Order: sequence, then C-alpha cells, then structure tokens
Amino acid sequence: NAGVTQTPKFQVLKTGQSMTLQCAQDMNHNSMYWYRQDPGMGLRLIYYSASEGTTDKGEVPNGYNVSRLNKREFSLRLESAAPSQTSVYFCASSEGTGSISGNTIYFGEGSWLTVV
Amino acid sequence: AQTVTQSQPEMSVQEAETVTLSCTYDTSESNYYLFWYKQPPSRQMILVIRQEAYKQQNATENRFSVNFQKAAKSFSLKISDSQLGDTAMYFCAFFNYGGSQGNLIFGKGTKLSVKP
Repeated sequence: NAGVTQTPKFQVLKTGQSMTLQCAQDMNHNSMYWYRQDPGMGLRLIYYSASEGTTDKGEVPNGYNVSRLNKREFSLRLESAAPSQTSVYFCASSEGTGSISGNTIYFGEGSWLTVV
Repeated sequence: AQTVTQSQPEMSVQEAETVTLSCTYDTSESNYYLFWYKQPPSRQMILVIRQEAYKQQNATENRFSVNFQKAAKSFSLKISDSQLGDTAMYFCAFFNYGGSQGNLIFGKGTKLSVKP
C-alpha cells in the first residue's frame, strides 16, 4: 500500500549543482504534481501533469524542469540549484477525473532539500 | 485569482475538548471543492475532510466536521474530543475544477497543539 513514493528523502546540494527528485505512484492515477513548502507557507504548485505525456507550469516553475516518464513516474529536476530552492518538496497524484474523489490529491512523504 | 486565508496562525486546546479552525476563501467561481489537510511533525500531508461546494450538507468524518457557509465563503473545521495525535499543522485548500488542472490553492496553515 505504498501510494506516492518519492526519493531521496533528504539531500544537501551545493549552489550550482544539479539533481533530480524521483516520484512514483501505484494508484493508477492520471494526474501528478510537484509542490514546494517553505517555512510559514502552505504548499505551492511547481509543475503538474494532467496525464501521461503532458506537463504544465504551476505557480512557481522557475528553476525547475519536469518529466512525466510514464503514467507512474513524474520527476523534478533542478538544473543549477540555488539557495532559494531550499525547501521541502512534495510529489502528489490524483485520479484526475471530474468528481471530488477524482480531484482529491494524495501526497508523498516529502523530500527535504538544502542548497548551501 | 483565488485566495485562501487562515486567520489563526496558532491555536491550542485541552485534550477531550472541541476546537474550531477558521478558513475563508475568495473566488468568483461557483464550482469548486474544499479540503482540510493535516500535517503532523512527520511532514506527511494527510487528507482530513473534503466538501463539494454544491452540497449544502456539511461533511463529517468521525470527530472532524466542517461548517461550510458558501455565501460567506467560509469553511471552518471542528475537531471534537481532541486527542494528542491531533497536534499538527492544518491546511485549508481550495480546488477549482472549472479552471486549470492542478489548481489546488492552500492557506498558510494553523498550528494546533493539543495539551494533556
């Protein structure tokens, strides 16, 4: 009963380094999301994928790229990490259908990223 | 643009008592969903309760219930018989299913402490 699994859980990067956060869901969901959470803030949407083969920008996409590798997997890449990208990152998924249950978003456990 | 406001940054309640967390939102849309998520110290985002805007009946889930006032754009969460495990950040969130996919807007959260 894994749900949404993201790796790594913790990562420290130096400014300018690149890395990829991996995410997989086993719920056969169509839609997947990447959010970031900063201190004192709610979650903010970075990118989402409504279905396999599509991706769209959210509220805070600058400095990130995403890949929807297949229906299960959605990765987030930081090409040149900056201290402003220090945050907790959450991957999430939903059925992506028109009902409330279809649009209920389920989250992974989060990835703590520190850029020094 | 839609916004979600949680006016109580922190609250505390004695174990076994009842507490109400406030949430207001601003939207011109008529079709949307509302959610409460719980984030314990582990950082996991856990769905607590959800409400469809077109339903007048308030949602309930065991000890959790909402008071949904559509005209006032208010969506408060009531926790009855508070337990120590209810200690967490609580986020109110708005989803406009008539708009772009992935449009889940979060408030900044209320930190709830349940005291023994």
